[in-house]
Amino acid sequence: DAKTTQPNSMESNEEEPVHLPCNHSTISGTDYIHWYRQLPSQGPEYVIHGLTSNVNNRMASLAIAEDRKSSTLILHRATLRDAAVYYCILNPRNQGGKLIFGQGTELSVKP
Amino acid sequence: NAGVTQTPKFQVLKTGQSMTLQCAQDMNHNSMYWYRQDPGMGLRLIYYSASEGTTDKGEVPNGYNVSRLNKREFSLRLESAAPSQTSVYFCASSEWAGGSDEQFFGPGTRLTVL
Repeated sequence: DAKTTQPNSMESNEEEPVHLPCNHSTISGTDYIHWYRQLPSQGPEYVIHGLTSNVNNRMASLAIAEDRKSSTLILHRATLRDAAVYYCILNPRNQGGKLIFGQGTELSVKP
Repeated sequence: NAGVTQTPKFQVLKTGQSMTLQCAQDMNHNSMYWYRQDPGMGLRLIYYSASEGTTDKGEVPNGYNVSRLNKREFSLRLESAAPSQTSVYFCASSEWAGGSDEQFFGPGTRLTVL
């Protein structure tokens, strides 16, 4: 199973952009890159996903390196409610949705 | 539209007792999943069901059984609980779309085995 590597923790100031990095050097051509986040005492929630091109949605943007060996989740203006653990996960096309969660990045947001 | 619901929210068991965790989704999803999360760790897949009538093992299936009762419901059973099974259990569902699908998670069941 392809794995991802993320920093254990990051800090941000409120209303500033946040760039959360993820390395996935063993990614295969059919692996989608997914990001989920988990707020304290809640289940994970989907943030965004992509395959090759950069993606934007109402929550965040996903920038994918040209060689696909790394990606960055971008929160354009962090709020206190964005404090969570962010998981970068590879979702292979042929694995039936079996997500492999790493330890993620714990994001803290300072007012 | 409740999404994914789980019962109970909390449970305390003694070693050797059995129990069933219930999960239901109202999004008409084909795929359902059971994960566990130990303190300070990411989630690990226990079992999943790609469609009604099928189940398969995940990363950590030992000590658990599952039943996909119908399209809506997916239960997880601990036949003889052990302290190592103290964890938070999350159920999820998705409409499998070849890797691009989004999984929806329930609020979790916090289980303590004494």
